[in-house]
Amino acid sequence: AQSVSQHNHHVILSEAASLELGCNYSYGGTVNLFWYVQYPGQHLQLLLKYFSGDPLVKGIKGFEAEFIKSKFSFNLRKPSVQWSDTAEYFCAAKRGSQGNLIFGKGTKLSVKP
Amino acid sequence: DAGITQSPRHKVTETGTPVTLRCHQTENHRYMYWYRQDPGHGLRLIHYSYGVKDTDKGEVSDGYSVSRSKTEDFLLTLESATSSQTSVYFCAISVERLGTDTQYFGPGTRLTVL
Repeated sequence: AQSVSQHNHHVILSEAASLELGCNYSYGGTVNLFWYVQYPGQHLQLLLKYFSGDPLVKGIKGFEAEFIKSKFSFNLRKPSVQWSDTAEYFCAAKRGSQGNLIFGKGTKLSVKP
Repeated sequence: DAGITQSPRHKVTETGTPVTLRCHQTENHRYMYWYRQDPGHGLRLIHYSYGVKDTDKGEVSDGYSVSRSKTEDFLLTLESATSSQTSVYFCAISVERLGTDTQYFGPGTRLTVL
């Protein structure tokens, strides 16, 4: 079965620390990849997405992600986190341009001021 | 926001009662989805629709039904609510552009079944 794995359940960082959240998906072939963010009490918002082309994708709020096909990975990064980045982050994938979106279980990020 | 509203935003109900949640979009997107979000499970797909009167099951469809009589509205019904259906429910639409599509989410409905 198709699956998306997020390695970290809860990450705690101090402001200005660098962030990397892991995401792996389970299937080969053409894949579309997404990172969503959910601030406390809010709905999911799209951070960035990868469909094809440059494997380094830049998103909103200074986030970026790198698609590494050989590792089936799509890790999210930010060089310097802020307190306002405290949220839950979800990686999602779907096979090709169609198909249903499969979500990881999420990583909660807490940034200490 | 992608012009998605959900109603109600909060609901408390009792076991065995029917519940209907509504998702409304202001644009004519073809695909609409219902997910539930539970701690430790991420988001799981309940049902989706690919057009008026065209729906299909997702990963966790047992105990839920859906209807789409108009492009803009997608209804999720719990015929007889159970405590295991206490969750936050999100509707999503799929925005298609240049051969790809991206899902955007509504504000959510928090449902508590006592």
